[in-house]
Amino acid sequence: TQLLEQSPQFLSIQEGENLTVYCNSSSVFSSLQWYRQEPGEGPVLLVTVVTGGEVKKLKRLTFQFGDARKDSSLHITAAQTGDTGLYLCAKRGYALNFGKGTSLLVTP
Amino acid sequence: EAGVAQSPRYKIIEKRQSVAFWCNPISGHATLYWYQQILGQGPKLLIQFQNNGVVDDSQLPKDRFSAERLKGVDSTLKIQPAKLEDSAVYLCASSYGAGGLYNEQFFGPGTRLTVL
Repeated sequence: TQLLEQSPQFLSIQEGENLTVYCNSSSVFSSLQWYRQEPGEGPVLLVTVVTGGEVKKLKRLTFQFGDARKDSSLHITAAQTGDTGLYLCAKRGYALNFGKGTSLLVTP
Repeated sequence: EAGVAQSPRYKIIEKRQSVAFWCNPISGHATLYWYQQILGQGPKLLIQFQNNGVVDDSQLPKDRFSAERLKGVDSTLKIQPAKLEDSAVYLCASSYGAGGLYNEQFFGPGTRLTVL
């Protein structure tokens, strides 16, 4: 099982701030997915990245896949309270292999 | 379109008791997954079904956990007997097909199990 390391584990910021969370592995990914999980809910897919160096944007969220396909980052611009949740990266195979996640709290 | 349904949403039991969880996947989805999410961790796959057949149950503790999907639709996950370390959220997910980059998995809200 490929180990995915996410950092930081916890992050607490105020509305309007920017933040970046990371997902790293010692092995190459064929593809990587990012999910957000709100309290009391299941994870919801945000994006899939496939190509090394790829950058995808989803409103205020920017996802980057490392050139070597061993790491990925998620940057949020001007965070809002609605961004609060657990951000999970996952390697896609027949099932999903998740990291431990970054728990984000955005306060007013 | 209705999402993945799970019940119950919460369950509290004492150790050594039995418990069962139910999942109804999105209509037409052939693949169903059960994940265990312990507090502070990401979900871990327990078992994957393709229609009513098991694709992967390598991480299912078979001495106490069992799962079935008899008619290729609904599924139940059972724990007997429960241990303290089984306290977790049990997530059910479904997808149209298995594997592949674009077979998106859709998750239910989960069942939060507390074992006392």
